[in-house]
Amino acid sequence: DAMVIQNPRYQVTQFGKPVTLSCSQTLNHNVMYWYQQKSSQAPKLLFHYYDKDFNNEADTPDNFQSRRPNTSFCFLDIRSPGLGDTAMYLCATSRDGTDNFYSNQPQHFGDGTRLSIL
Amino acid sequence: KQEVTQIPAALSVPEGENLVLNCSFTDSAIYNLQWFRQDPGKGLTSLLLIQSSQREQTSGRLNASLDKSSGRSTLYIAASQPGDSATYLCAVRAPKTDNYGQNFVFGPGTRLSVLP
Repeated sequence: DAMVIQNPRYQVTQFGKPVTLSCSQTLNHNVMYWYQQKSSQAPKLLFHYYDKDFNNEADTPDNFQSRRPNTSFCFLDIRSPGLGDTAMYLCATSRDGTDNFYSNQPQHFGDGTRLSIL
Repeated sequence: KQEVTQIPAALSVPEGENLVLNCSFTDSAIYNLQWFRQDPGKGLTSLLLIQSSQREQTSGRLNASLDKSSGRSTLYIAASQPGDSATYLCAVRAPKTDNYGQNFVFGPGTRLSVLP
């Protein structure tokens, strides 16, 4: 009964070779997030989708892009991975209100994709 | 800029002990604070969510408190078990200055080991 599913669990790719990570959810949440977590560090928010609206964090490298074709799916694309992009990538969802009203609903995380760049 | 810290970075206790994990944040203007558990190589599992208007939340052997004015939260674990061994992270949800942006800021976590 997994609610946020990330694929693949493990991904190894070569330096500079584009890679796509996927996330799907069965919660029908309107917000989806992508985080990068390096070893022994806090998760760092890369970007999120509020419905169809994309919100990029100011310090997210241009190398990282995202797509959300529908409510259930969200993809993280890394165009030209570098060695420094080796990390765990976490997808999360939440249900939020409209405009400036933020509901106090929790974030739900997937099990992550461990990405290694060789 | 909101910053979240957690003390201690690591903690090792014998089974059965009660323990407290600490989380501090620099800006008290938060919507809520969430405690997570992360097992090695896994994602985050939500443990407790405290809204900004609340003082504490309880779930089983876990109790989380929030003192927004002082920028502190604690996670109390009663009668610890080896299965509690994991990294515990706190995260605050705070407003951003741009359009309806959302700001989740995580602490670096406390790595807990409960020894049998």
